[in-house]
Amino acid sequence: DGGITQSPKYLFRKEGQNVTLSCEQNLNHDAMYWYRQDPGQGLRLIYYSQIVNDFQKGDIAEGYSVSREKKESFPLTVTSAQKNPTAFYLCASTKGGRYTDTQYFGPGTRLTVL
Amino acid sequence: DQQVKQNSPSLSVQEGRISILNCDYTNSMFDYFLWYKKYPAEGPTFLISISSIKDKNEDGRFTVFLNKSAKHLSLHIVPSQPGDSAVYFCAASPNTDKLIFGTGTRLQVFP
Repeated sequence: DGGITQSPKYLFRKEGQNVTLSCEQNLNHDAMYWYRQDPGQGLRLIYYSQIVNDFQKGDIAEGYSVSREKKESFPLTVTSAQKNPTAFYLCASTKGGRYTDTQYFGPGTRLTVL
Repeated sequence: DQQVKQNSPSLSVQEGRISILNCDYTNSMFDYFLWYKKYPAEGPTFLISISSIKDKNEDGRFTVFLNKSAKHLSLHIVPSQPGDSAVYFCAASPNTDKLIFGTGTRLQVFP
């Protein structure tokens, strides 16, 4: 079955530690996105990548880093520089690179900083 | 500043009746609008979209209405079913440059 997988589902980290969230898709989609969701807020774009080896900052990129070495993978690293990392993180992909293309989302990773 | 607003955090509707979810936006440059549905512990899934050149788009039980002068769109679900219980996000895009999501409305359909 084609889709997007995110792992782990729940993640706990100590303050000051970096942590990497995995996102893999087997849809052969060109573009991939990372969003963050906080209670009472909409999804906010962290980073996106339209092709391999290229990525762009979204609205709230500070304290995050990404890589796109393979078409099917787009890992997100939450660094210790991120002031308030506890949130629900969603990865998405689109066939083309337009935001208005249908976005397919993974199940999400809930990150809690202890 | 929230450019896409869903002012009702929750809505409760009886099975078989109409559900109306509302969304307001502030940016007149938005020209494409989408609705996504999200079940607990799952990612959002695309539901229906509408371009600014239209004022209505229908897909089965789901219809989206766009009122550009009021900067308002709504999603109608008729008839509502228990399986429709989820969080609904509206999203808007200016010229495919970016996608801005609303805060979501939790719909509960009861028997």
